[in-house]
Amino acid sequence: DAKTTQPTSMDCAEGRAANLPCNHSTISGNEYVYWYRQIHSQGPQYIIHGLKNNETNEMASLIITEDRKSSTLILPHATLRDTAVYYCIVRGRWAGANNLFFGTGTRLTVIP
Amino acid sequence: EPEVTQTPSHQVTQMGQEVILRCVPISNHLYFYWYRQILGQKVEFLVSFYNNEISEKSEIFDDQFSVERPDGSNFTLKIRSTKLEDSAMYFCASSEAGTSGSIFTTGELFFGEGSRLTVL
Repeated sequence: DAKTTQPTSMDCAEGRAANLPCNHSTISGNEYVYWYRQIHSQGPQYIIHGLKNNETNEMASLIITEDRKSSTLILPHATLRDTAVYYCIVRGRWAGANNLFFGTGTRLTVIP
Repeated sequence: EPEVTQTPSHQVTQMGQEVILRCVPISNHLYFYWYRQILGQKVEFLVSFYNNEISEKSEIFDDQFSVERPDGSNFTLKIRSTKLEDSAMYFCASSEAGTSGSIFTTGELFFGEGSRLTVL
């Protein structure tokens, strides 16, 4: 089951940074934080993941607090196409812990 | 960019009929998964598959469901006798698998676009 807590919904103005928070206070030392998104009814799309260091790729940045109990996904310049449900998921990478369990996520609406 | 492909995109069937949903995972991936999403609900884990056997399955994955890797490229989900409540989007996913030192690890999951199953 999902081990994370996210706000149900957020709005963001087009062109501004979208900051999506996630709480994962029970994360264990070898579990990663993953972010996926689902645009309408399409398949979930991988965005980024991290263990304890901040990470950045072409889609987003992931900021993980030092105690690893929370994180923030940052979309630096949100576009209308970023409107989606964003899922923060805690996951291990070893067999038996490598499945993704989706919660209800945050519905991000980018407003023109 | 490599992707997971699924067929059919939409299937309509009568209750009690058998359905096979097909997936072609990313070619160098070794771990395969099926998920489903009933309209308006969460994405739910069904089953994971590695080394030609089920690795894990959820309570949803009962005796009506089975998975198979019939050849080197396809990964299928069969529902033997469909029920109305099987109507959902079914997503296939795959991930890399390997070792890091002596530890077995898996990579991030990549999902297909889904197969919509409608049971009448």
